[in-house]
Amino acid sequence: NAGVTQTPKFRVLKTGQSMTLLCAQDMNHEYMYWYRQDPGMGLRLIHYSVGEGTTAKGEVPDGYNVSRLKKQNFLLGLESAAPSQTSVYFCASRTPGRGGQPQHFGDGTRLSIL
Amino acid sequence: GENVEQHPSTLSVQEGDSAVIKCTYSDSASNYFPWYKQELGKRPQLIIDIRSNVGEKKDQRIAVTLNKTAKHFSLHITETQPEDSAVYFCAASNGAGGTSYGKLTFGQGTILTVHP
Repeated sequence: NAGVTQTPKFRVLKTGQSMTLLCAQDMNHEYMYWYRQDPGMGLRLIHYSVGEGTTAKGEVPDGYNVSRLKKQNFLLGLESAAPSQTSVYFCASRTPGRGGQPQHFGDGTRLSIL
Repeated sequence: GENVEQHPSTLSVQEGDSAVIKCTYSDSASNYFPWYKQELGKRPQLIIDIRSNVGEKKDQRIAVTLNKTAKHFSLHITETQPEDSAVYFCAASNGAGGTSYGKLTFGQGTILTVHP
């Protein structure tokens, strides 16, 4: 049981390049989330999904797109990378449920845009 | 939307002392409040959470208190140890469903340093 797995772990891009970050979870969770973490700003929600085939915008969605074609995978895409997107990206998943359920995080992807 | 403020941003204590981190939230509909610990270069890991139907929860040296009237909650770590050194994040969520879908709003984080 690997939990939440993110690939790649590190990546350096040039401005204007595109790439996709992959998040895979083996816990059969319905809900999945993408966050970015910048110094002094905590984690901010980029996009999220509440089930296969559904996605929605979070707090900071501009410049990113997502897809959830399979329940276990949640992809985050950067169509034209910008230096402002240099950050650490975390994926998380959780089960639905009233009263709040914990989110389980992956190990993160450290992305640098030159 | 929800806004979570966390204080202090840095906290330095001696081993064996207690540490307290405080958070305030703005959305009265929030009812789920987790705390995450993040070591350098690692993932955030849940250490304790509390739901709005209780005022306090303890797990060994860690406790969380919640004041829904004042809209603030706190993390208390007693008998601190050097391995408690990390960044701690509070978060708030309306976990009841509807259109919130368990989205977490995080505080800015507190860097806790425990000196031997």
